[in-house]
Amino acid sequence: AQKITQTQPGMFVQEKEAVTLDCTYDTSDPSYGLFWYKQPSSGEMIFLIYQGSYDQQNATEGRYSLNFQKARKSANLVISASQLGDSAMYFCAMREGPPRADGLTFGKGTHLIIQP
Amino acid sequence: SAVISQKPSRDICQRGTSLTIQCQVDSQVTMMFWYRQQPGQSLTLIATANQGSEATYESGFVIDKFPISRPNLTFSTLTVSNMSPEDSSIYLCSVGPSGGQETQYFGPGTRLLVL
Repeated sequence: AQKITQTQPGMFVQEKEAVTLDCTYDTSDPSYGLFWYKQPSSGEMIFLIYQGSYDQQNATEGRYSLNFQKARKSANLVISASQLGDSAMYFCAMREGPPRADGLTFGKGTHLIIQP
Repeated sequence: SAVISQKPSRDICQRGTSLTIQCQVDSQVTMMFWYRQQPGQSLTLIATANQGSEATYESGFVIDKFPISRPNLTFSTLTVSNMSPEDSSIYLCSVGPSGGQETQYFGPGTRLLVL
């Protein structure tokens, strides 16, 4: 079974609208972390936001927020007021085990295109 | 956040040859990771490189094909050995958390094309 599932291969969104990118995960480890990265066409991996499994509140970073629903094992990324520069691949990833301990498992990604 | 550089940024190689990719970090970090991103695909973890110990490889990756060095806390190399066209990928290094922030930062990647 896939550990990280991103069900939206591609999305088209109008500029200034809010965007929700879906991510579900599968782990039996009580300690884990969830990450979102943005990869523009230039190829670099840009860290957006992190949520730890024991964090009580949903993470937020500027226009990015993470809708963490632990019981449903989902960690959706919400981008408010989308901009043309948000067009990119977005990857959800998970670290299993204690913080600082391990590499990441990535989902297949969602290709987001913001239309003017 | 850590500043990570990789050399070379891109290369075109002949099958059967080997390429060593360097990863340099501007601060000392305990954990460094190597990933592969095949064309149009997501990232896959190759191995974890800790200073002073052997690298730990993920399923499907072996030391003979991808030897890794980690001589100090700011530097690591990944060698892609006896290359074939299937090794054409972007290879990225990343570093584990430093300071208080829980995250992993990535280098700019090395784009490898094997002919």
